[in-house]
Amino acid sequence: AQKVTQAQTEISVVEKEDVTLDCVYETRDTTYYLFWYKQPPSGELVFLIRRNSFDEQNEISGRYSWNFQKSTSSFNFTITASQVVDSAVYFCALHSNSGYALNFGKGTSLLVTP
Amino acid sequence: DADVTQTPRNRITKTGKRIMLECSQTKGHDRMYWYRQDPGLGLRLIYYSFDVKDINKGEISDGYSVSRQAQAKFSLSLESAIPNQTALYFCATSDSLTGMGETQYFGPGTRLLVL
Repeated sequence: AQKVTQAQTEISVVEKEDVTLDCVYETRDTTYYLFWYKQPPSGELVFLIRRNSFDEQNEISGRYSWNFQKSTSSFNFTITASQVVDSAVYFCALHSNSGYALNFGKGTSLLVTP
Repeated sequence: DADVTQTPRNRITKTGKRIMLECSQTKGHDRMYWYRQDPGLGLRLIYYSFDVKDINKGEISDGYSVSRQAQAKFSLSLESAIPNQTALYFCATSDSLTGMGETQYFGPGTRLLVL
C-alpha cells in the first residue's frame, strides 16, 4: 500500500519567517518518485518539484528547498523568508512502479500574514 | 495559451442532470487523468487513460464515465449528477516517454456544484 501523510493541516506564519512543511510517505517499492505541488487561492495546481528515490541530494530553488531522507521516509519542504504570495495549499504526492497515478497527501494550508 | 484547458470552469447543475466536463491539452502528452478534490481529502483519481484506446478506472469511478476522443481530449461525464459530486475537478496529463514517475501537469480545474 502507498500512503502520503501531511500531518500539518494548517500553518500560519508572519512574513519573513522560515517555514517547513512535512511529508511522510509509505511504499514497499524501491523505485518511486515524490512530488510537491502548490495550489494558490485561485485554485490551479502548480508543479514544484519531482525527486526519484535514488537521489537523496537536497535541492534548493531560490527561497524553496527540499530535504529528502529515505531513512525516515520524509520529503520535507522549506520556504525561507516567507512572503504573502506563498500563501497556498501545498500537496506532497508519491508515484511508484506499482502505481498508476499519483497518491496525494491531504495538503497543508499555509497562511503568510504581513 | 494554457497547455491544459478545462471547460467549463464553473458549473451549477441540478440533481439528476447529465453533464460533461471537457479537457484539452496541447502538450502532446499521451496520458491523461481526471481527479476530484474535496476539502480536507486531497485529490482522488477518478479515471485515467494511457492512450486513446486505453481507459482505466481509478479509485472513485462510480457515477462517472469518460471518453478519450483523441490524444488531446479527455472528457468526464456525470450521467446523473448527485449533490455529493459537488467538488473541484482536475484534468492532468503526463508524458510516458519521460520514463517512470513522469510529472503530471494539471489544468485549472472545474468547480461543480450539484443542487
